[in-house]
Amino acid sequence: GAGVSQTPSNKVTEKGKYVELRCDPISGHTALYWYRQSLGQGPEFLIYFQGTGAADDSGLPNDRFFAVRPEGSVSTLKIQRTERGDSAVYLCASSLAGGIGDTQYFGPGTRLTVL
Amino acid sequence: GDSVTQMEGPVTLSEEAFLTINCTYTATGYPSLFWYVQYPGEGLQLLLKATKADDKGSNKGFEATYRKETTSFHLEKGSVQVSDSAVYFCALSADNYGQNFVFGPGTRLSVLP
Repeated sequence: GAGVSQTPSNKVTEKGKYVELRCDPISGHTALYWYRQSLGQGPEFLIYFQGTGAADDSGLPNDRFFAVRPEGSVSTLKIQRTERGDSAVYLCASSLAGGIGDTQYFGPGTRLTVL
Repeated sequence: GDSVTQMEGPVTLSEEAFLTINCTYTATGYPSLFWYVQYPGEGLQLLLKATKADDKGSNKGFEATYRKETTSFHLEKGSVQVSDSAVYFCALSADNYGQNFVFGPGTRLSVLP
């Protein structure tokens, strides 16, 4: 079946601009996660959705970052007033129910470059 | 807070050599432990996992045993192949509802023919 998909695969923007990154999880997965991976590092947690609600947004670095999942499927990560330090690969993952032993399935990521 | 420590890379081995990548963790509660692999140009893929102490995860010739007494989950393979060249990430999930993973920094493995 189809895996997690993310669009765009690459996004180049200028400092101060607004960007939206999209994630399409595996069908039927109720849990959705966003991570950020900087070069040479492991992914860092940003936010977790259970259904339509953000169950844990403790990883969002500041109020310029926001994410939604209005119908409990597709999610959008929104970054306002982008800064050069936001440049990274943004990963989305989904799991069936979000349980502690659940496998998370990752998308290919969106590489964001802020000039 | 929860954390994962991995041996620093890069690790370079000859084909058919024995591989060990060390992983230790700090967590409250009883975490589940995972190894993910990222092949060049591809996304993160689950390699194996273990959800309780003394469990052994295995896949594609790789193994890791959940050792609670040493808080470790070392990855091993008896005979590596060139196609195993990738970045390997150790991760744990310890929240009550498994909200997120805590990843290690990754270990890059290069296998030479």
